[in-house]
Amino acid sequence: AQSVAQPEDQVNVAEGNPLTVKCTYSVSGNPYLFWYVQYPNRGLQFLLKYITGDNLVKGSYGFEAEFNKSQTSFHLKKPSALVSDSALYFCAVRDADYGQNFVFGPGTRLSVLP
Amino acid sequence: KAGVTQTPRYLIKTRGQQVTLSCSPISGHRSVSWYQQTPGQGLQFLFEYFSETQRNKGNFPGRFSGRQFSNSRSEMNVSTLELGDSALYLCASSYPPGRSGDYEQYFGPGTRLTVT
Repeated sequence: AQSVAQPEDQVNVAEGNPLTVKCTYSVSGNPYLFWYVQYPNRGLQFLLKYITGDNLVKGSYGFEAEFNKSQTSFHLKKPSALVSDSALYFCAVRDADYGQNFVFGPGTRLSVLP
Repeated sequence: KAGVTQTPRYLIKTRGQQVTLSCSPISGHRSVSWYQQTPGQGLQFLFEYFSETQRNKGNFPGRFSGRQFSNSRSEMNVSTLELGDSALYLCASSYPPGRSGDYEQYFGPGTRLTVT
C-alpha cells in the first residue's frame, strides 16, 4: 500500500532564511512524487514532481525538492523564504508500478515570519 | 487556458438530503478526480474518471457516486447526507499520457459543503 508522512504539522521560519518541509513515503514499486501548495480558500497548486532522473528537482516559485531513495524521502526546500510562501504544503505519491491513485500526506503548515 | 471550475462554491444542506457537485476540467484534459478534504482526515481520494469511465475508486461508501460526460465535465453525488460529509470537495483534472501515472493534477477551488 502507498502512504505518505509529513512529520511536522507546522514549520516556522524567518523571512530570508532557508526552509525545508519534510516528506517520507512508502510504496511497493517505484515512486512518482509531487509537491502541492494550498492557499486559504483555494485549491491545491502544483509545485514540482519527481518521476525519474536527477534527484534534485526544481519547480515553481524557487522551490526545489531532493529525492532520496535510500531514505524514502522527498523534502521540499527553498533557499530564501518569503512571507508570501506561508501556506499549507502537501506531499503526494503514486506507485509507478502498482498504484492506482495519488495518496496525499496530511499537510504541513508553513509560516514565514517577517 | 481557463482553470478547473467547480460549482457551486458553497452549499448548505440538511441531513438526509442529497447533493450534486459539478466540475469542469481544463480544456483538453480527459481525467477528473475527486477528493474530500477535512481537517481531521486530510485529503482523501474519492474516485477518478477517464473518458467517461470510472478508473479508480477510493474507500468511501456507496452514497458517494460520480459520473463523467462526453465533454469531460464531471459530477459527483452524495445521497442521504450525514453530518460527517461536511468538507471541502476538490476536483482535479489532468491530461494523462495513458496509465503511467506520472502526470500532475490541476485542482479547482473546491465546493465547501456544510451539512446541518
